[in-house]
Amino acid sequence: EAQVTQNPRYLITVTGKKLTVTCSQNMNHEYMSWYRQDPGLGLRQIYYSMNVEVTDKGDVPEGYKVSRKEKRNFPLILESPSPNQTSLYFCASSQRRSLDSPLHFGNGTRLTVT
Amino acid sequence: DQQVKQNSPSLSVQEGRISILNCDYTNSMFDYFLWYKKYPAEGPTFLISISSIKDKNEDGRFTVFLNKSAKHLSLHIVPSQPGDSAVYFCAALYNFNKFYFGSGTKLNVKP
Repeated sequence: EAQVTQNPRYLITVTGKKLTVTCSQNMNHEYMSWYRQDPGLGLRQIYYSMNVEVTDKGDVPEGYKVSRKEKRNFPLILESPSPNQTSLYFCASSQRRSLDSPLHFGNGTRLTVT
Repeated sequence: DQQVKQNSPSLSVQEGRISILNCDYTNSMFDYFLWYKKYPAEGPTFLISISSIKDKNEDGRFTVFLNKSAKHLSLHIVPSQPGDSAVYFCAALYNFNKFYFGSGTKLNVKP
């Protein structure tokens, strides 16, 4: 089954403790991206990647890092999480061969930073 | 400031009637517009899209209209069904890479 898999689904951590949220897709998509969803703000793009070793900032990249060493994986790294990073996070991928290639989303990771 | 806005947080419609969800944007350089549907505890799923060079796109019960002069797009669902109850996000694509999403509209279709 074609899918985007995020882990973990839920994560509670403390301020300053480094964490990684994994994202993997099995559709051989070139494009992958991360979003955070906050009430009243919708989904905001954090980082995106056009292909292996090619990453770029989205709208809200501060406090986050990403890497794209393999085509299928695109982990989101929070080196020193803070409470304002408490949010619902989504990973997505797309073929991006044409403008109308839609994003395929994972089921989300709910992160709480205390 | 948000570049894509959905000013109605919620909408309630009777089954069988038309649902109209609205979206406004500020950047005239957006290349493409998309609508996503989201159920609780799931990721958004793609519904329908429209190129910035068109003004209408239909797919079954779903039609998206684009008014570039007003920087406005709308999603029409006819007829509405209870299974359509979900949160709908409007999104815009800029420069082939960056996606901007609205804050969502929660649609409730009453049986």
